[in-house]
Amino acid sequence: EVQLVQSGGGLVQPGGSLRLSCAASGFTFSNYWMTWVRQAPGKGLEWVASIKQDGSEKYYVDSVKGRFTISRDNAKNSLYLQMDSLRAEDTAVYHCARFVREPDYWGQGTLVTVSS
Amino acid sequence: DVVMTQSPLSLPVTLGQPASISCRSSQSLVYSDGNTFLSWFQQRPGQSPRRLIYKVSNRGSGVPDRFSGSGSGTDFTLKISRVEAEDVGVYYCMQGTHWPPAFGQGTKVEIK
Repeated sequence: EVQLVQSGGGLVQPGGSLRLSCAASGFTFSNYWMTWVRQAPGKGLEWVASIKQDGSEKYYVDSVKGRFTISRDNAKNSLYLQMDSLRAEDTAVYHCARFVREPDYWGQGTLVTVSS
Repeated sequence: DVVMTQSPLSLPVTLGQPASISCRSSQSLVYSDGNTFLSWFQQRPGQSPRRLIYKVSNRGSGVPDRFSGSGSGTDFTLKISRVEAEDVGVYYCMQGTHWPPAFGQGTKVEIK
């Protein structure tokens, strides 16, 4: 059974940093692209970033370029999102997902709140 | 960037009746290999999204056959043949053909 279990998240002040983690099981992690999708309170889904199987290609939505870094550790079957210079508009539930041209399996989501 | 436009944004439905959601893309979603990467997601209240349909018309694992997808090029449709109470939630289309991937605004399905 494919499982994506997220950790991290919480309350952070504007300008602060946070690291999200996503532990994968039930499939060969190193064979798949992975992605992060977020959902601001009461809003729709927004793709944030994706990473290729070996980490050699990474893509970001314009609003997070230069502030967020997606990475992975295939030996640990884990996906990460390092979020720096956080802004109020980054407040959202962040989901990790396996990506096969679309997210086919999703994590449970973790809330990131950026507020003073 | 590709813009995905859904309609309607709100859809009150009667239990047992059909429902239909439209999704249009600002450019063709046909990829160079001939595939069309248009998918549909369901998000029930308080839950993570769930993939319903991929590559226009393929149902995901465990998805009831009352859900169907159709369309081509820039125009796509999600149909529910007979709405059940558990179908309440928000439905999103998404394109994965062009970078960056993009979701529609979402359509809220509720029972009349």
